[in-house]
Amino acid sequence: AQSVTQLDSQVPVFEEAPVELRCNYSSSVSVYLFWYVQYPNQGLQLLLKYLSGSTLVESINGFEAEFNKSQTSFHLRKPSVHISDTAEYFCAVSEVGGNEKLTFGTGTRLTIIP
Amino acid sequence: DGGITQSPKYLFRKEGQNVTLSCEQNLNHDAMYWYRQDPGQGLRLIYYSQIVNDFQKGDIAEGYSVSREKKESFPLTVTSAQKNPTAFYLCASIEDELGTEAFFGQGTRLTVV
Repeated sequence: AQSVTQLDSQVPVFEEAPVELRCNYSSSVSVYLFWYVQYPNQGLQLLLKYLSGSTLVESINGFEAEFNKSQTSFHLRKPSVHISDTAEYFCAVSEVGGNEKLTFGTGTRLTIIP
Repeated sequence: DGGITQSPKYLFRKEGQNVTLSCEQNLNHDAMYWYRQDPGQGLRLIYYSQIVNDFQKGDIAEGYSVSREKKESFPLTVTSAQKNPTAFYLCASIEDELGTEAFFGQGTRLTVV
């Protein structure tokens, strides 16, 4: 069975500073990896995903994540954050060829300080 | 517009009562999921269904029941057997056979009073 660890439950960052949200996973088979974002009292929206190919994936709003198989990590980064990035971020994994189940981490609340 | 609709957005229930949360999708997705979200615990899978008239228990199915009589609908019943039902409930469907992007509804916040 797969699992996801997000060690940082809260990350405060000054506006325009860089940020990294950490995600590590565990699985006995190949995986797909995802980052979702949740704004207050809303559902989750897909931010970016790694399925195969290039290990560096990017979103349209400046976030990027890199799949590192040897370290079983999929950390999310942004070089300069904005107030609008304040949200909760969830890392998720599903097994390749599995039953489509998504397993989520416990989430990281990103707070941008003006 | 295509998407997933959850209703109601807020729901209050007295202890000992069953309550049903609605989830409807018009995305023509085969697979649908129910998650429970609690602060600091992320999303935990309650039930999922990969095809009409079939569903499987997730990690925390006790005290919950579901049905999948139509492709578009996957209602969740929170029964009186669920000891701590107050939570935010999220319904999702999966995009394609590869099981990649999940689309989520806006959630239902259930409070037991």
